[in-house]
Amino acid sequence: GAGVSQSPSNKVTEKGKDVELRCDPISGHTALYWYRQSLGQGLEFLIYFQGNSAPDKSGLPSDRFSAERTGGSVSTLTIQRTQQEDSAVYLCASSLVAGYISGNTIYFGEGSWLTVV
Amino acid sequence: QQPVQSPQAVILREGEDAVINCSSSKALYSVHWYRQKHGEAPVFLMILLKGGEQMRHEKISASFNEKKQQSSLYLTASQLSYSGTYFCGTEIRGSNFGNEKLTFGTGTRLTIIP
Repeated sequence: GAGVSQSPSNKVTEKGKDVELRCDPISGHTALYWYRQSLGQGLEFLIYFQGNSAPDKSGLPSDRFSAERTGGSVSTLTIQRTQQEDSAVYLCASSLVAGYISGNTIYFGEGSWLTVV
Repeated sequence: QQPVQSPQAVILREGEDAVINCSSSKALYSVHWYRQKHGEAPVFLMILLKGGEQMRHEKISASFNEKKQQSSLYLTASQLSYSGTYFCGTEIRGSNFGNEKLTFGTGTRLTIIP
């Protein structure tokens, strides 16, 4: 696609429910990243993929969070048993080359706005 | 390992200049600057790769100091379109996967008033 596409753009869910957030990276981009942005906060790293593998999952806040990527393309971030503190914008990004990102531009999607009530 | 940005917020009149700083406690491979407008995706501005390097995007320029632990973003003759939150993203040397992702600062909110 022309840019990084994320869905849903907005999601309101009840506390305790599971949610899935989808990211479709730019075609041909091998690296895919998930970040979280809470209201007025910076960009918090969650996980990144090289192809279908996730070398670095260090940013996932708890075992309620998981992510997968299939076919080297689409990725899904799943949050189980959502809590109110999970409310945030979840941003997906992609870049052409995985590893050693020097010189590689990372392109962001517009994010999925998650509200847990 | 998160870089520190300063100031946290700045208000300028159109045409004024500003400097935003990004400092890391660790040496860096590169610094990437982004601007994010409210409700939109962060948009890439520029990458700095080499110590002493300076880059430019329109009337916005940036430097990367020789020790490669600090970068500054210079906004000259600011325009209304410059309003937004500016983030530096750092690629960190010497840590597992530090060079395979960007670690972002907390952002600097810039408001330009007519």
